[in-house]
Amino acid sequence: SQQGEEDPQALSIQEGENATMNCSYKTSINNLQWYRQNSGRGLVHLILIRSNEREKHSGRLRVTLDTSKKSSSLLITASRAADTASYFCATEGAGGTSYGKLTFGQGTILTVHP
Amino acid sequence: GAVVSQHPSRVICKSGTSVKIECRSLDFQATTMFWYRQFPKQSLMLMATSNEGSKATYEQGVEKDKFLINHASLTLSTLTVTSAHPEDSSFYICSATRPVRVGVRETQYFGPGTRLLVL
Repeated sequence: SQQGEEDPQALSIQEGENATMNCSYKTSINNLQWYRQNSGRGLVHLILIRSNEREKHSGRLRVTLDTSKKSSSLLITASRAADTASYFCATEGAGGTSYGKLTFGQGTILTVHP
Repeated sequence: GAVVSQHPSRVICKSGTSVKIECRSLDFQATTMFWYRQFPKQSLMLMATSNEGSKATYEQGVEKDKFLINHASLTLSTLTVTSAHPEDSSFYICSATRPVRVGVRETQYFGPGTRLLVL
């Protein structure tokens, strides 16, 4: 079942601005991952943060994880028009039967205007 | 990087026919593959977990007799939508993971997806 909720559902910004997307989940997790999907295409893995990590950086991406609040945020700095896409968080649940299974959030549609 | 392909990229079929979708890991051996379905403007829903050489594990609410999954080799998994109906029209995406060492989590590598339209 879907447990991730993301906000905002849609975000529209100008090039150069920062974009912040949030994700909340309900159960214990091993890790949380962020993916990007261009319209009608497959998913591209952006970054993975483990449950014992609080913050991670990769290029213009910064991800935070607060397991006490069961939430994560993805920050894209200095956005570009090419960043326009849907962004999904996905959690891998803790526990043997959840191994490797990802539960996706509803996604945030990001539009970056030139 | 790891590459996963899907074939076909899009398919249109008549109601009642069966459609087979292939998922291949091109440059690595995938012991586990996952099949997802995505309806327009919605998120991905996990349908089943496919392990090489064993029966697939289906998520609650997914009919195993309708969505047949075969994972006969370490580089190929197939999803067959049997007796397809218009409500089966969707975007089907597979992902694959490499074999893991104990305590090592592997990223899922996603295929480009297959758009199915049932008329």
